Amino acid sequence: DIQLTQSPSFLSASVGDRVTITCRASQGISSYLAWYQQKPGKAPKLLIYAASTLQSGVPSRFSGSGSGTEFTLTISSLQPEDFATYYCQQLNSYPPTFGQGTKVEIK
Amino acid sequence: QVQLQESGPGLVKPSGTLSLTCAVSGGSISSSNWWSWIRQPPGKGLEWIGEIYHSGSTNYNPSLKSRVTISVDKSKNQFSLKLSSVTAADTAVYYCARRVYDSSGYSLFDYWGQGTLVTVSS
Repeated sequence: DIQLTQSPSFLSASVGDRVTITCRASQGISSYLAWYQQKPGKAPKLLIYAASTLQSGVPSRFSGSGSGTEFTLTISSLQPEDFATYYCQQLNSYPPTFGQGTKVEIK
Repeated sequence: QVQLQESGPGLVKPSGTLSLTCAVSGGSISSSNWWSWIRQPPGKGLEWIGEIYHSGSTNYNPSLKSRVTISVDKSKNQFSLKLSSVTAADTAVYYCARRVYDSSGYSLFDYWGQGTLVTVSS
């Protein structure tokens, strides 16, 4: 299985901050990477797929980049509704796997 | 707007079989999509269990393959999960989700059910 390692696992930030989360794959996955946002008690919500394609309806302050083994999710200006846990997922090969998550909390 | 809704027992005894159903509304299960099960133990990360196409083709996570069966009922527009020989380690929120492919061939899980907690306990 392809392992995904996210960093940091926990992030404390303020409203308006620029936030970057990194996801590293144990082997190359081209651009077959998605990012999800999950709030407590809710299902994950797709933010970005194909490493950098913004899902319809997702605010433009979210962006993704990278290919191969290193990827980033950036939130350009953190909003109150963005405090959540973020997961990356690889879809390059079976089984699809997820990173361990990055929890973004209010400073 | 596609909606997915999980249903099934919230409590299963150890060594028993976990059975869940995902009802799909707002779209046909016979469309060109894969239909997945994903789980999340309390306070932990996400694990993909497996998926099915409307033709009945399946893919399973090797870590669970010996215990998992996913089936589809096109007449009811739903698909189901069975996980046998369960233990406390199978306690989790179980989600169903739709996987689609975009025009460039990239896949994405775009619609998810709300999730249902299944506890394995005597």
